[in-house]
Amino acid sequence: KAGVTQTPRYLIKTRGQQVTLSCSPISGHRSVSWYQQTPGQGLQFLFEYFSETQRNKGNFPGRFSGRQFSNSRSEMNVSTLELGDSALYLCASSLATSTLTYNEQFFGPGTRLTVL
Amino acid sequence: AQKITQTQPGMFVQEKEAVTLDCTYDTSDQSYGLFWYKQPSSGEMIFLIYQGSYDEQNATEGRYSLNFQKARKSANLVISASQLGDSAMYFCAMRSISGGYNKLIFGAGTRLAVHP
Repeated sequence: KAGVTQTPRYLIKTRGQQVTLSCSPISGHRSVSWYQQTPGQGLQFLFEYFSETQRNKGNFPGRFSGRQFSNSRSEMNVSTLELGDSALYLCASSLATSTLTYNEQFFGPGTRLTVL
Repeated sequence: AQKITQTQPGMFVQEKEAVTLDCTYDTSDQSYGLFWYKQPSSGEMIFLIYQGSYDEQNATEGRYSLNFQKARKSANLVISASQLGDSAMYFCAMRSISGGYNKLIFGAGTRLAVHP
């Protein structure tokens, strides 16, 4: 079974630009979560999508947005990039359950974004 | 508020010895899950072990075991017979009902170095 894939793996942008990152979950997984990892703030939850709906959102400005398609693939978009957006962006997929049962999240390799 | 605390920024261990990585958590929820992930320098988060708040037995997965002390709100990871390939960042994470389905709260991480 193929794992979670993220594209691109590396990206360099300049301030003010926008960027779109893509995540393909494991086949059969309907939930996709996004995380930002920086040296200063560590790993922070961005948002989670399930069945094309945002189900949970972290404390990030509106410049960060996402969506999920009918095939469960997800994209996240960051508009008006700032230097502080430089980070490793990780995507995780899981089987979605409505109760707090064992529900492992499988992470992709991440997209390393550098904002100059 | 939900919080994960990892007080050891760095640890080192001799190959073949055991090592304990500390994790304490804070939540008012009765139902929650605790995870440990390994992050090698490549960036991908690798799931190691899971402990549910209602699980009576400590979780074990091969060389990994989780020392779960609910009253102390601690979930320490024990790696037995360390190997050179265990050198990586290790993150403790928690998910709870009030936090939302697949939202993981991560600790700051512990960098483990295994020496030959």
